[in-house]
Amino acid sequence: AAGVIQSPRHLIKEKRETATLKCYPIPRHDTVYWYQQGPGQDPQFLISFYEKMQSDKGSIPDRFSAQQFSDYHSELNMSSLELGDSALYFCASSLGQGIGSPLHFGNGTRLTVT
Amino acid sequence: GENVEQHPSTLSVQEGDSAVIKCTYSDSASNYFPWYKQELGKGPQLIIDIRSNVGEKKDQRIAVTLNKTAKHFSLHITETQPEDSAVYFCAASNDYKLSFGAGTTVTVRA
Repeated sequence: AAGVIQSPRHLIKEKRETATLKCYPIPRHDTVYWYQQGPGQDPQFLISFYEKMQSDKGSIPDRFSAQQFSDYHSELNMSSLELGDSALYFCASSLGQGIGSPLHFGNGTRLTVT
Repeated sequence: GENVEQHPSTLSVQEGDSAVIKCTYSDSASNYFPWYKQELGKGPQLIIDIRSNVGEKKDQRIAVTLNKTAKHFSLHITETQPEDSAVYFCAASNDYKLSFGAGTTVTVRA
């Protein structure tokens, strides 16, 4: 079965640079979530989109922005990168929202800021 | 917001034995409790979930129990195998945004 596709898998950037992470949800899934996972930590919710509109916002820094496009893929844009932004970034998708819509995660993008 | 606590943080079991991971949550409005397995270099994979109107759910060697009164839920893995070694996360939600526990690293010894 098709899964959530994230690109790139690995990304190395320097401080103050920008980065763009992409997420392609499971076909027909209309909801996308972004999570950040630091080393040895649990995933922390950043932001979500439902039908191309932002549906919720978590602990996402103002330096980050995201959007969901007409084909339902999503991009997370990160500017003025800091060392502390080094983490795994996961995208998840679901069909609709609510408890009847389990989240399916991609394999993540590992961002390293040097 | 929701706060999920997960114990233990690490768990080592002999192959064939059972493993139990426990979680508590703070928000009584939470009504959906999924469990995820994360292997090295991969994203969390949903292995089982339970809703608040159900007390127990089983899928082959995996079972989850929920006690809404006490606000805790548990994952039980029976007849553990080496491929069960991974990090397991519990989560709770009252809408669609998941709050995760800190994770349990399970090691199955051959």
